[in-house]
Amino acid sequence: EVQLVESGGGWVQPGGSLRLSCEASGFVFRKNWMAWLRQAPGKGLEWVADIKEDGSEKYYLDSVKGRFTISRDNAQNSLYLQMNSLRAEDTAVYHCAGNWVWGQGTLVTVSS
Amino acid sequence: DIQMTQSPSSLSASVGDRVTITCRASQGISNSLAWFQQKPGKAPKSLIYAASTLQSGVPSKFRGSGSGTDFTLTISSLQPEDFATYYCLQYNSYPRTFGQGTKVEIK
Repeated sequence: EVQLVESGGGWVQPGGSLRLSCEASGFVFRKNWMAWLRQAPGKGLEWVADIKEDGSEKYYLDSVKGRFTISRDNAQNSLYLQMNSLRAEDTAVYHCAGNWVWGQGTLVTVSS
Repeated sequence: DIQMTQSPSSLSASVGDRVTITCRASQGISNSLAWFQQKPGKAPKSLIYAASTLQSGVPSKFRGSGSGTDFTLTISSLQPEDFATYYCLQYNSYPRTFGQGTKVEIK
């Protein structure tokens, strides 16, 4: 069974940083593109970033470029999202996704 | 950016009804479209990719069609477990973009 489990969310003040992690199992992680997506409270779904199987290509939503960094460790079957200079509008549940499966998500709250 | 216009934003239907949701892309995306179902408090679940290919384990009452700019998700014989919010996603180009969602409620 494909499983994706996110961690690392929490409350942070504007301008702060958080690092999200996603542990994958049940599929060949190193052979899949992976993504981070988010959903603000009561809102729709929003794609945030993608990373190629070997990490050689990365793509970002314009509003997070320069602030967020997606990375992966294929030896650990893990995906990461380093989030810096966080803003109130980054408040959302962040999901990792791959092989067409989404994790349950981790809540990031940016507030003073 | 490619805009995905999904309609309707909500609908009320009865058990047994056939329901159709549409997504229109602001430019051609070939068949690079997926449909997701989301229930309250849960992660989205993939139903269809490549516009019309059913994900493994998804019942055949879900049917996707379309290509280019116009796409449709049809749910035949709506059941209680189908009441949820449905989203389309284009993955033809970056940034990936979702439709606004369609909430399917019980009449």
